[in-house]
Amino acid sequence: EAEVAQSPRYKITEKSQAVAFWCDPISGHATLYWYRQILGQGPELLVQFQDESVVDDSQLPKDRFSAERLKGVDSTLKIQPAELGDSAMYLCASSPTRSGANVLTFGAGSRLTVL
Amino acid sequence: GDSVTQMEGPVTLSEEAFLTINCTYTATGYPSLFWYVQYPGEGLQLLLKATKADDKGSNKGFEATYRKETTSFHLEKGSVQVSDSAVYFCALRLLGGGADGLTFGKGTHLIIQP
Repeated sequence: EAEVAQSPRYKITEKSQAVAFWCDPISGHATLYWYRQILGQGPELLVQFQDESVVDDSQLPKDRFSAERLKGVDSTLKIQPAELGDSAMYLCASSPTRSGANVLTFGAGSRLTVL
Repeated sequence: GDSVTQMEGPVTLSEEAFLTINCTYTATGYPSLFWYVQYPGEGLQLLLKATKADDKGSNKGFEATYRKETTSFHLEKGSVQVSDSAVYFCALRLLGGGADGLTFGKGTHLIIQP
């Protein structure tokens, strides 16, 4: 069964350091999403890509967060500098097309702890 | 804006009990509705979905019916098992000109005791 790959699974960093997460969606999935899930809460959308273009990044804290999907395949989410409040699970998901009936498939996530 | 409201947890049940997790939504259009499940330390897995009114999604003994008149999508299972212990998320998805990702509820932690 096809999966969304994410790395690293766990990351511990000190505040003010830079951190990066990588996501490889299911082959052929044009739409890619990054979510942030704070412990005990539901995931919240940070950014959505359609191929290599950003569809929506209105919830991305652009002073410290950046995301790219240069060739329309895999994607990187970067935080610089990390703050204590960034500790969370970062989830990547992909979907074949922009259809309400299509399912989003999630990766296992990258858990960030900022000390 | 669009939102999903789920019953607060944790919900603790004995094995073989009947389960209901309530979910209601607010949306400006006609959403598709989903239940996802998250096991400890893992990502989210699709449990079931429904794309139009009166559709019933079902999987692994779980069911939910899309009720447009009450804007609800309650999750049910007739007899729960210890292995059903997890966090359950209700979510909606709307197509529009902008973002069309899932909007999630806060999640309901389900604990099944043997």
